[in-house]
Amino acid sequence: GQNIDQPTEMTATEGAIVQINCTYQTSGFNGLFWYQQHAGEAPTFLSYNVLDGLEEKGRFSSFLSRSKGYSYLLLKELQMKDSASYLCAVRDGDYKLSFGAGTTVTVRA
Amino acid sequence: GAVVSQHPSWVICKSGTSVKIECRSLDFQATTMFWYRQFPKQSLMLMATSNEGSKATYEQGVEKDKFLINHASLTLSTLTVTSAHPEDSSFYICSHWAGKNTEAFFGQGTRLTVV
Repeated sequence: GQNIDQPTEMTATEGAIVQINCTYQTSGFNGLFWYQQHAGEAPTFLSYNVLDGLEEKGRFSSFLSRSKGYSYLLLKELQMKDSASYLCAVRDGDYKLSFGAGTTVTVRA
Repeated sequence: GAVVSQHPSWVICKSGTSVKIECRSLDFQATTMFWYRQFPKQSLMLMATSNEGSKATYEQGVEKDKFLINHASLTLSTLTVTSAHPEDSSFYICSHWAGKNTEAFFGQGTRLTVV
């Protein structure tokens, strides 16, 4: 089966940095995705890692270590609008995605 | 990116009735679409894979006779929750991929409440 773990909740101050960790044990691996989801809305794509290393995209960066089954999402210069749930998802095969339970990030002024 | 339109965004129905949710691919021909369900504060759980012109593939534990999936065209997949019960109340989301090297695109989601 698929096992994807991430913290349930994190709180940070506006302007700060937050790192959301994700560990996975899956039967197959064909890339790791991070999505942002606001309450009652569909997930929106943030980043994709398939090779080891860091991918940077503006204020958001994502890191992957396949040998350790580990990824993190780094959010810099936090803004109030970044308060949301962040989902770690692993692609197993061509198209099947398995999601973690999500990390709720609360940004405080 | 590929656009997925899902309707309705929310629906309230009486216990025992059926509800149909539509998922349209607006700018891409999707031979495969995916249906997820999400309970409050929980992960998205894959329910089934919808295949154009053929039967859907259901995940373990998902009742195919209760959650009817039809994918009659390359741009439309529907999920019908039959004989809905309060425990079926959830957030249902469809998605598809525009290609192997892209991300999954999601519909807006449908909040189903069964009373």
